[in-house]
Amino acid sequence: GQNIDQPTEMTATEGAIVQINCTYQTSGFNGLFWYQQHAGEAPTFLSYNVLDGLEEKGRFSSFLSRSKGYSYLLLKELQMKDSASYLCAVRGMDSNYQLIWGAGTKLIIKP
Amino acid sequence: DTGVSQDPRHKITKRGQNVTFRCDPISEHNRLYWYRQTLGQGPEFLTYFQNEAQLEKSRLLSDRFSAERPKGSFSTLEIQRTEQGDSAMYLCASSLESGAGYGYTFGSGTRLTVV
Repeated sequence: GQNIDQPTEMTATEGAIVQINCTYQTSGFNGLFWYQQHAGEAPTFLSYNVLDGLEEKGRFSSFLSRSKGYSYLLLKELQMKDSASYLCAVRGMDSNYQLIWGAGTKLIIKP
Repeated sequence: DTGVSQDPRHKITKRGQNVTFRCDPISEHNRLYWYRQTLGQGPEFLTYFQNEAQLEKSRLLSDRFSAERPKGSFSTLEIQRTEQGDSAMYLCASSLESGAGYGYTFGSGTRLTVV
């Protein structure tokens, strides 16, 4: 079967760094996405990895290891507005380019 | 282009009533997706269109759910004889056909409450 695992909830302090992990088991791999979703709002695109390594975009970075079926999202200099759910999604190899979604990690930022 | 638009933002309906939601995707995107999301869960795939053709429908989707995209632009999702278990956020997303690197752009969603 296909499965994506993320921690349910994490807590971090304003100004600190947090790493949110995602492991996946899918039938083929054609890219991994991270989305941010604030409560009651739609998911918004954060990052995309298709090759191994680190992709940096401002305060956010995303890492991928295809051999390990593993990714993480790294958030630096945390701000209160970063309190949200972070969704990991993997695109399989079928022709429909469907995304398989994790349940999301709720990140709580404390002052 | 103002992104993906969904209407209404909120809908409260009595059990047994029919409801219809609308989604206007980004104009140059030819793929349109409908998802359902409940609290603490990731989006659950319902169906998707490439242009006007409905190419896939979730096996979890009952016959009470139907979606259309008549001219390959906007789409509608209808739920007939609503049940309390249908209460959820209904998300629409669009993407380019190739998809690689673009992911999906989501609308703000329609929150359905069945009472």
